Amino acid sequence: QVQLVQSGAEVKRPGASVRVSCKASGYPFNNYYIHWVRQAPGQGLEWMGVVSPTGGSPIYAQRFLGRITMTTDTRTSSVYLEVSSLRSDDTATYYCARTLVMISAVIPGALDVWGLGTRVTVSS
Amino acid sequence: EIVLTQSPATVSVSPGERVTLSCGASQSVTASYLAWYQQRPGLAPRLVIYDASNRATGIPDRFSGGGSGTDFTLTISRLEPEDFAVYYCQQYASAPWTFGQGTRVDIK
Repeated sequence: QVQLVQSGAEVKRPGASVRVSCKASGYPFNNYYIHWVRQAPGQGLEWMGVVSPTGGSPIYAQRFLGRITMTTDTRTSSVYLEVSSLRSDDTATYYCARTLVMISAVIPGALDVWGLGTRVTVSS
Repeated sequence: EIVLTQSPATVSVSPGERVTLSCGASQSVTASYLAWYQQRPGLAPRLVIYDASNRATGIPDRFSGGGSGTDFTLTISRLEPEDFAVYYCQQYASAPWTFGQGTRVDIK
């Protein structure tokens, strides 16, 4: 079945970096964009950015510019999110999610398949 | 950036009743590229409605979406126990994609 499997929970010190992975299976990896969304404890959803599985420049939310990097590996059908200069307010669950429509449709799509999330805790 | 404002923040409803949630956009959402997600405690969000009015795969027909431009709604016609959750609207018409702050549907 179509699924996104994310890496396990992380605990990091302030100022460190974290890399979260998201491995896709059950569908043609190259055909769908992957987004990253995060959720701080007890808070709402926050869109971080989107990346094409085959390369090209990701689109990042303004507030994360310079601090996040999204990359892909088509050999393993995986997408990665790296967040640097971690702060306590980066403590959150990070989700990867796939768009509903194929890239070839050239229209935007909602997010129909979600990973289970990766909990990142930033604490000294 | 398109700001989405959901109302109410919380609504208490009895099972079997009907509820309508609202999502207002700070500017028109092109082509009604608006989605609704359901999130139960401890779980990932689940797509309920896309393109303002289309039910996602596996979503029962008691869920319906409507609206266009800057005003959108999600209606649940007969609440089942599994429907009590937080619902988020999201626009994907223009970057940055944005979410509303969520509406919690509680059991009365």
